[in-house]
Amino acid sequence: QVVLTQSPSASASLGASVKLTCTLSSGHSSNGIAWHQQQPDKGPRFLMKINGDGSHIKGDGIPDRFSGSSYGAERYLIISGLQSDDEGDYYCQTWGRGIHVVFGGGTKLTVL
Amino acid sequence: EVQLVESGGGLVQPGRSLRLSCVASGFTFDDYAMHWVRRGPGKGLEWVSGISWNSGTKGYAESVKGRFTISRDNAKTSLYLEMNNLRTDDTAFYYCAKDMVGYNGDAFDIWGQGTVVTVSP
Repeated sequence: QVVLTQSPSASASLGASVKLTCTLSSGHSSNGIAWHQQQPDKGPRFLMKINGDGSHIKGDGIPDRFSGSSYGAERYLIISGLQSDDEGDYYCQTWGRGIHVVFGGGTKLTVL
Repeated sequence: EVQLVESGGGLVQPGRSLRLSCVASGFTFDDYAMHWVRRGPGKGLEWVSGISWNSGTKGYAESVKGRFTISRDNAKTSLYLEMNNLRTDDTAFYYCAKDMVGYNGDAFDIWGQGTVVTVSP
């Protein structure tokens, strides 16, 4: 079964950029993933789907400040021009065994 | 407007049952697989269960297998989760999510706002 690994926390200053990483377990480096944001007291929001070749599809209304890329087994979410409401938890998600899906442990992003 | 609205959560004692519902609007419900995901206190997102567009495939997390049952009614654009023999560690916000494809799991592109389930003596 695929496992997704995320750092528990990240921080960056207002207006700066941050790169969040999601690492796929061995044997699954070609998997696509999705990134989701969960702000405090809100439901999750789909940000984008990143394919193994790095191409990505963004969710409706997601600003250009959010972008994604891929390298080997790593999938990245890059947020530029950080704003205060970018604070929250960011999860990666993948699939591959029938209807089953898997989430990473999440990264808590703090905007300083 | 594309929307998922969950309901049915509440406070329940261990061992009892609860049925969650999710009503979809703004997209062709019966084209897509649907899922339930939960987030417990102090925890991350956990996939609970998924169902294909025609109910032909269903899957469950090991933590709920044998206790929870997922179903859907395409005519009512609704998704359900029957939760039996509830345990305290089932306490969580439960979210309904739309898959990008119809049969197997893929990226979730629409989420509901959630309904809270509290299991306590």
